[in-house]
Parts: sequence; structure tokens; C-alpha cells
Amino acid sequence: RKEVEQDPGPFNVPEGATVAFNCTYSNSASQSFFWYRQDCRKEPKLLMSVYSSGNEDGRFTAQLNRASQYISLLIRDSKLSDSATYLCVVNINFNKFYFGSGTKLNVKP
Amino acid sequence: DVKVTQSSRYLVKRTGEKVFLECVQDMDHENMFWYRQDPGLGLRLIYFSYDVKMKEKGDIPEGYSVSREKKERFSLILESASTNQTSMYLCASSFPAGGDEKLFFGSGTQLSVL
Repeated sequence: RKEVEQDPGPFNVPEGATVAFNCTYSNSASQSFFWYRQDCRKEPKLLMSVYSSGNEDGRFTAQLNRASQYISLLIRDSKLSDSATYLCVVNINFNKFYFGSGTKLNVKP
Repeated sequence: DVKVTQSSRYLVKRTGEKVFLECVQDMDHENMFWYRQDPGLGLRLIYFSYDVKMKEKGDIPEGYSVSREKKERFSLILESASTNQTSMYLCASSFPAGGDEKLFFGSGTQLSVL
């Protein structure tokens, strides 16, 4: 069983749509949680951390449900520039990061 | 801004060659990592280092070794390259943050072994 599981997509949405990605993790000892964005043939870049209380950064909202071991990312008012692969990342301890395989988003005009 | 620099963006090597991938970070981070990324498999940890001359195996260390002689530099070595080592290699660094460590990545090296 993979440590982190994501729906690979692709999610094809029109500009302006709201889209949500989910991610589940298997290790209940996981300490911290992140969403990274990766453009084609580029490195992953930190999009946002995910906190138990939920957190928002502009059009992006992240939620964590520790009881269900579930993380989500909501993108409102999608832009063409949001097209990318979104990686769910879980940190067990300082050196143990586990990555989902990524969810691909295509935002269409 | 944190800068993690990988020496080559693209590399083509032949089977059996010894390959060196270099990574340098400029933020005095203690922790450095080497991952490989393959379609459908996500990022997998090869080796990491938490201090100079210290290293630990990740999930897929076979066929690889590493060197960390200076804090800012972490090298990945393929002792005898094989075709199944064709992949995107990503270096990352992080600083200890009491459980809130974040990874910062270099731009990656796409290695092709022929």
C-alpha cells in the first residue's frame, strides 16, 4: 500500500471553475502536510502547508482531517496558469517525506 | 529566497559509466536529499544527509552512493550507470523546524542512460 494516494486525474475544468483534490495517507504518525505544485519538466514548488484548522491562501484552501487521514486542496476561480500537477506531501519526521504521484489539472479557456 | 542548484539540466550517459550529479544549496540547510521521479511512481528517496559526512539510505539506494564533504554540497554518484537509472533526479534541502520542515528543490537533472 502506498503511503500517500492521490487521484491522478486529469481534471479538465473551464476557467473560473472551482476544483477540489483529495489525498489520503496511511501513517497515523504523520506530522506535517503540504501541497506542492509541479509544472511540466520542472521541479516541485511549495504551494502551501496544510494545518489541522484549515488554511487559506488567496484562491487556495487546504484542509486536513487527521481522524480520516485525509487532505484536500480547493482551488476557486481557476486560472489558466493553475494548470499543473499538484503533489500531496506528508512528513513523518524530519527526513521522511512521502509524496503522492500527483493530480494533473488542466484549466481550459 | 532559497536557492538549490543542480549542475546539469540534461545528461546523456552510456551504460557502465560513472556519473556524478552535483547539488549546491545556499541557505546553510542541514538536511539534503536526493530523489528520483518516474511517471506513475512519484518521488522516491535515494539518500539523504543531515550533516557533513553523514548519510542515510532512503527507499531505493541500490546502485547509488552519495558524498557530502561540505555543508552546502551533496553529490549523487551512479557507480555504473544502467538503463533503469534513466530518470529525473531532484535534489532538495530543508532546515530543522521541529516537525514543520519544508523541502526546497533544485530544478532537476534529466538523466538518460543509453
